Amino acid sequence: SQQGEEDPQALSIQEGENATMNCSYKTSINNLQWYRQNSGRGLVHLILIRSNEREKHSGRLRVTLDTSKKSSSLLITASRAADTASYFCATDRNDYKLSFGAGTTVTVRA
Amino acid sequence: DAGVIQSPRHEVTEMGQEVTLRCKPISGHNSLFWYRQTMMRGLELLIYFNNNVPIDDSGMPEDRFSAKMPNASFSTLKIQPSEPRDSAVYFCASSLRTGPSNQPQHFGDGTRLSIL
Repeated sequence: SQQGEEDPQALSIQEGENATMNCSYKTSINNLQWYRQNSGRGLVHLILIRSNEREKHSGRLRVTLDTSKKSSSLLITASRAADTASYFCATDRNDYKLSFGAGTTVTVRA
Repeated sequence: DAGVIQSPRHEVTEMGQEVTLRCKPISGHNSLFWYRQTMMRGLELLIYFNNNVPIDDSGMPEDRFSAKMPNASFSTLKIQPSEPRDSAVYFCASSLRTGPSNQPQHFGDGTRLSIL
């Protein structure tokens, strides 16, 4: 079953704008991971945030985690055409499984 | 470092035929996952191996599906007999598990399977 639920389902932005997507989950987690999937390709790991962390940065990516609200957000700053992809959150509940959400499809218009 | 390698990239076959999907995980990784992705159901975990041993196959849809990992560098997912509803993209992923928490998974580019 999918624990993570991304919002919105789809997002269209102009190149240079920021893109924000959210992930909500139901049960306590050990960490939360974000992945990107380009069309016709496998998922690529972007960033991992542990349950005791509140914010993490990696290049143009900023991830926040609010365990009290059971939610996370992924911000992509200064978007580029190459950021066009689907983005998935995945929760680690301290077992071997990652539970993936349905994803947010991001389209960056030139 | 070579990533996770899956073959074939595309497979089109008629229903009733046997289908074998192959995966070479990243060297040194001890965990291997097979997933299925469809528009309707998203990404579903089919089976998980740790140190070549199947730990959880509860996601395998039915007895027509089987998976093996004869050694640390090779795994197969077999469907026999195949049915049109098995059409999907099948992904293999590997990771290094050193403790209770999950490290990032590395995905192959998948096998797009079409059963006619």
